[in-house]
Amino acid sequence: QVQLVQSGAEVMKPGASVKVSCKASGYTFTDCYIHWVRQAPGQGLEWMGRINPNSGGTNYAQKFQGRVTMTRDTSINTAYMELSRLRSDDTVVYYCAREEGSSGYFDFWGQGTLVTVSS
Amino acid sequence: DIQMTQSPSSLSASVGDRVTITCRASQSISIYLNWYQQKPGKAPNLLIYAASSLQSGVPSRFSGSGSGTDFTLTISSLQPEDFAAYYCQQSYSTPRTFGQGTKVEIK
Repeated sequence: QVQLVQSGAEVMKPGASVKVSCKASGYTFTDCYIHWVRQAPGQGLEWMGRINPNSGGTNYAQKFQGRVTMTRDTSINTAYMELSRLRSDDTVVYYCAREEGSSGYFDFWGQGTLVTVSS
Repeated sequence: DIQMTQSPSSLSASVGDRVTITCRASQSISIYLNWYQQKPGKAPNLLIYAASSLQSGVPSRFSGSGSGTDFTLTISSLQPEDFAAYYCQQSYSTPRTFGQGTKVEIK
């Protein structure tokens, strides 16, 4: 069965970088885009960007351009999202999600990773 | 970027009620519209894709309709497990944008 398993919660200092992982199983990793979506406490869903695990090509939301880097390691079926220059408002839950190919919906999601930015 | 506007932002309803949530796109997105349910502390869960296709395993009381810019999610008979937040999302183009969400609460 398809699963996306994310790395555990992180506590980071302002200005630092965080790297969240998303390990895929149950399907061919290179067949489906991986997206990253974040959610502040009590707020809505915010799309950050996506990576094509086959080519490594990425698309980022304008808001995060220059601060986010999405990569993948096909040898271990894992996608990564690194966010730099962390601020207090980056204290949110980060989700990875798999995009189904034809209609673009997100059919499987990781469990979420809480990143807390605090001095 | 395509803006997605959901209404209402919250609603109170009783078990057995028919509930309708609407989502409007700032430009035509054909049928590239998806609906997700999210319960507290959990990841979103896909309910409806391509505007009206029911995801496998989702109860038939959920249905979606619309095309172009105007879409609707309907719950025909609200059940206790349906009290949650609902989000629409367009998959027509990047950036993939979500509506702001609708919280369905118990009356």
